[in-house]
Amino acid sequence: EPEVTQTPSHQVTQMGQEVILRCVPISNHLYFYWYRQILGQKVEFLVSFYNNEISEKSEIFDDQFSVERPDGSNFTLKIRSTKLEDSAMYFCASSVGGDSSGANVLTFGAGSRLTVL
Amino acid sequence: AQKITQTQPGMFVQEKEAVTLDCTYDTSDPSYGLFWYKQPSSGEMIFLIYQGSYDQQNATEGRYSLNFQKARKSANLVISASQLGDSAMYFCAMRERTGGSYIPTFGRGTSLIVHP
Repeated sequence: EPEVTQTPSHQVTQMGQEVILRCVPISNHLYFYWYRQILGQKVEFLVSFYNNEISEKSEIFDDQFSVERPDGSNFTLKIRSTKLEDSAMYFCASSVGGDSSGANVLTFGAGSRLTVL
Repeated sequence: AQKITQTQPGMFVQEKEAVTLDCTYDTSDPSYGLFWYKQPSSGEMIFLIYQGSYDQQNATEGRYSLNFQKARKSANLVISASQLGDSAMYFCAMRERTGGSYIPTFGRGTSLIVHP
């Protein structure tokens, strides 16, 4: 069964360092998302990406965050200067998109746990 | 205001019994979708079931069914014949149009513990 792949599974970094989280979405999916989940809390939307550009972003997704799809398969989330409060599990997800029922079902990756010290 | 409300922070059920996890939602978009995801202790998010706002029948997937009551804006998940492996966090989510896109937003989750 096709899956969304995320690397690294766990990253520990010092405050102020740049972090790049990588995702390989399912190949025929057109919509890509990043969500984060602070330990034990709700799953929060960060950003969605379609047709090589950001389609929506939340208030959390400030100037410290960026996304890109550099080579048509990878989808990356960059945090320029990490803060302690960026410690969370970051989930990549993708969906087929379109109007059919279930087309917006998100398939999630296993997550990348970011720990900022 | 919360768009997705899960009022049960924790639920307990005996193995082999059925359990209902509550979810209410709020939207003005007539074309929305509702999802349930399971998050076991290992952390991954596993899709369980989907209901579109125009679907006439309640969605079912194996032991999972969605009790969709549109007028009440509720989309409760029913798990029949609970198994020990069902112990996990369960998240209700709604997809609605935000700007030009459909963005799924999640509730706070319900922790389900299945007792032997």
